[in-house]
Amino acid sequence: QQPVQSPQAVILREGEDAVINCSSSKALYSVHWYRQKHGEAPVFLMILLKGGEQKGHEKISASFNEKKQQSSLYLTASQLSYSGTYFCGTGPAGGYQKVTFGTGTKLQVIP
Amino acid sequence: DGGITQSPKYLFRKEGQNVTLSCEQNLNHDAMYWYRQDPGQGLRLIYYSQIVNDFQKGDIAEGYSVSREKKESFPLTVTSAQKNPTAFYLCASSSGTSGVADTQYFGPGTRLTVL
Repeated sequence: QQPVQSPQAVILREGEDAVINCSSSKALYSVHWYRQKHGEAPVFLMILLKGGEQKGHEKISASFNEKKQQSSLYLTASQLSYSGTYFCGTGPAGGYQKVTFGTGTKLQVIP
Repeated sequence: DGGITQSPKYLFRKEGQNVTLSCEQNLNHDAMYWYRQDPGQGLRLIYYSQIVNDFQKGDIAEGYSVSREKKESFPLTVTSAQKNPTAFYLCASSSGTSGVADTQYFGPGTRLTVL
């Protein structure tokens, strides 16, 4: 079952912050975040593992709440280059499983 | 440079014809994947392979077939049995050592249009 992402779409002005949420009905071991520009390949942003630390770079970070089976991606002081569709992929806990991707959040940053 | 290549970038076919999409990687990865992307539906897994000469069906395998004869190659055939083949197809690979903790790296994709 696909994880649920929210919001489905968001428009920001340069410099504003955004939060994208990813929620699963299954117990998770991993959460993967990707950004995709139109017509291009998804680009890996970060992976969060159960029991691991919150990950991130200076302006893009993410958290993983294992108990709630949720992850959030934080975009701080957004830039025009942040525009694209953000996907989360969730890896269930237990045995060999497959990563399942959400339907994406379309983010547009305007001047 | 290491990476994943897919060819062609755009492909047009007539209804009823089989078509094969190419995927090659030089990352020395064991695992490879095929995804289909339709507008508003995210990435859906078609087939995946954890090792040469072995592959498993994903969530939407009907109408597709794959082979994994070499570590670096994982071609996907879209058969005439696939009812709605027009879509953007993405190939990915990962090291295969850590299951769902592996990072997947994606190729540039092939946009297939069936006329």
